[in-house]
Order: sequence, then C-alpha cells, then structure tokens
Amino acid sequence: DVVMTQTPPSLSVAIGQSVSISCKSSQSLVASDKNTYLNWLLQSPGRSPKRLIYQVSKLDSGVPDRFSGSGSEKDFTLKISRVEAEDLGVYYCLQGTHLPYTFGAGTKLELK
Amino acid sequence: QVQLQQSGAELAKPGSSVKISCKASGYTFTSYAMHWIKQTTGQALEWTGYIAPGSGGTKYNEKFKGKATLTVDKSSSTAYMQLSSLTPVDTAVYYCARGGIRGDNWFAYWGQGTLVTVSS
Repeated sequence: DVVMTQTPPSLSVAIGQSVSISCKSSQSLVASDKNTYLNWLLQSPGRSPKRLIYQVSKLDSGVPDRFSGSGSEKDFTLKISRVEAEDLGVYYCLQGTHLPYTFGAGTKLELK
Repeated sequence: QVQLQQSGAELAKPGSSVKISCKASGYTFTSYAMHWIKQTTGQALEWTGYIAPGSGGTKYNEKFKGKATLTVDKSSSTAYMQLSSLTPVDTAVYYCARGGIRGDNWFAYWGQGTLVTVSS
C-alpha cells in the first residue's frame, strides 16, 4: 500500500498567518493516464471531511483562493495564506492513484 | 443538490453484524461509484472499498475483505455496508463518499457519517 506521510502532525497559528502542510508518498502518484490523483481534505470539528483540492492543485468550487496546492511525483504541499478561523480543523491528503486508496494521518490546525 | 444521508448510530455486541446505509439524492445513483471510509477515534481514515451501483461490481481494500460487504438497492438509490463478526476494533465512524472519474467529482461529496460502537 502507498504510505502517505503528512507533516507536521499539528500546527498552532495566529489568524492572518500563512502555513504549509507537507504530504509525501511512498510511491509516485503519477497515474498511467499521466494525471496525479492527490487530494486535500479538511475535516472541521464535528463534521465530515470536505474536499478542498483535487489533482494536486485544482480548487473545489467555493474554496477560497487562500488555499493552494502544489507538488509532483511523491512530494506535495498545501499552503494556506492568511489563515481564518473557519480554516481550523484537521487536514488530510488522499491519494487516488493506487489501490487501495490511502490517506495521510492528518495535520491539526489550531489557533495560537 | 447532491446529498448522501446515512443511517443512525449503531450499538452492537461483539460477534454480531450491522448494516449501515447511505441514501443518495440529487444525481443519477447508478452513474457514480460509492466509496466507504472508516475513521477511528484517533482520526485515522481508511478506505474500505467501493461499489459501482450500475453493475454491482465491488472493489475492497484487502484489509476489509471478509469484514465489509457492499451492496446497493437501485430502486431506492441506497448503498449499504454490512460489517460482520464485529470486534471492538470495528468501533469507528463510517462514511460513504461519492466516487466517479478520479477528477472533479471524486470524493467531492460525503455522508454525515455513522458511528458504530461494538461493546458487550
């Protein structure tokens, strides 16, 4: 199985600060169709996970452009510019290239 | 709008089975696979498997073969996951999530989750 290693496990931030979360996979996530199926999800407290970004860098509808995704092959980053209170929760990366699909362990974003 | 409405919390005894449901609305049920994801209290997420409602075809995470059985009822646009031979390690929140082509529709919609608690 592809292991998704997320760092850091937690982040303490002030409103308005920018943060980055790393996700590294144990295998390349480039699929046979040349696409890279790396997604980022946010689970706000008491809620279901919500997808924010798909295929590395494509923002879901309604997701603020303060969020951005980048990376390739095995190394990916989620960046949040100017963190707002609504951004707090646990962020997960999810790979959809190789079966079984696998998630990172999560990064908890908390207020400083 | 797309909605996935899951059944309520279950309390089950070790060795028993439970069947949880995910009722889809707002789209053509048979056009998108339905995935199931386990989330333990430590927050770890595990993909359990998926079912293609149109064909009934399934794909399971090897770890959940023999534990989870995925079915659908096309007449009611409902997907089911049965968990058998329950043990305390099966205690978790289980989510359904809509699949599809692994692009802009894939995992874009999730149910609200069903808590399964296994305890004697």
